[in-house]
Amino acid sequence: AQKVTQAQTEISVVEKEDVTLDCVYETRDTTYYLFWYKQPPSGELVFLIRRNSFDEQNEISGRYSWNFQKSTSSFNFTITASQVVDSAVYFCALSVGFGGTSYGKLTFGQGTILTVHP
Amino acid sequence: EPEVTQTPSHQVTQMGQEVILRCVPISNHLYFYWYRQILGQKVEFLVSFYNNEISEKSEIFDDQFSVERPDGSNFTLKIRSTKLEDSAMYFCASNVGNSNQPQHFGDGTRLSIL
Repeated sequence: AQKVTQAQTEISVVEKEDVTLDCVYETRDTTYYLFWYKQPPSGELVFLIRRNSFDEQNEISGRYSWNFQKSTSSFNFTITASQVVDSAVYFCALSVGFGGTSYGKLTFGQGTILTVHP
Repeated sequence: EPEVTQTPSHQVTQMGQEVILRCVPISNHLYFYWYRQILGQKVEFLVSFYNNEISEKSEIFDDQFSVERPDGSNFTLKIRSTKLEDSAMYFCASNVGNSNQPQHFGDGTRLSIL
């Protein structure tokens, strides 16, 4: 079984601060996929980033960056120079992909509420 | 860009009534999902559907729930006799079947049981 833990329930920052959201995962599968989704106050789920278990290269995409470390089973997400529009709930999620008895379902963490104050 | 569409956006139903939530997945996608999010809580997997049958379901997905793909485009979730605790946001999602692709989610249906 898979498990995703987001220990930070709520984070509050002032605009332009950098903020890092933590995610720790558990799985016995050697191949898996990690995701971050954003849920703004309007309620929809917006895909942000994805990482494969076999690619630990960390990347930056605009104001978003992520730090994937298999050794600590962590997939942290950083927003640089936060903006008020970044205020949302952020979910980390895990999938073991497709094949065998796996059909791509996502296991979500509890979510982190991010509030960015002007 | 193609998207997953869900109707209605909000459904209010009396306890004990049947409710059907509708979804139109992205047309070339092969895997379909329903998830549930009780207010203020995490998103929980309910069921996955592939090749016209349920491929995986969670313990939440009991005999009160059923899914169907009645035609080539719609994917429905039926709750047979709703309970107060079924009040939640229900998300439909689809995936082409490529592990490197994210699931695409609809905007959700908010179900309120009175």
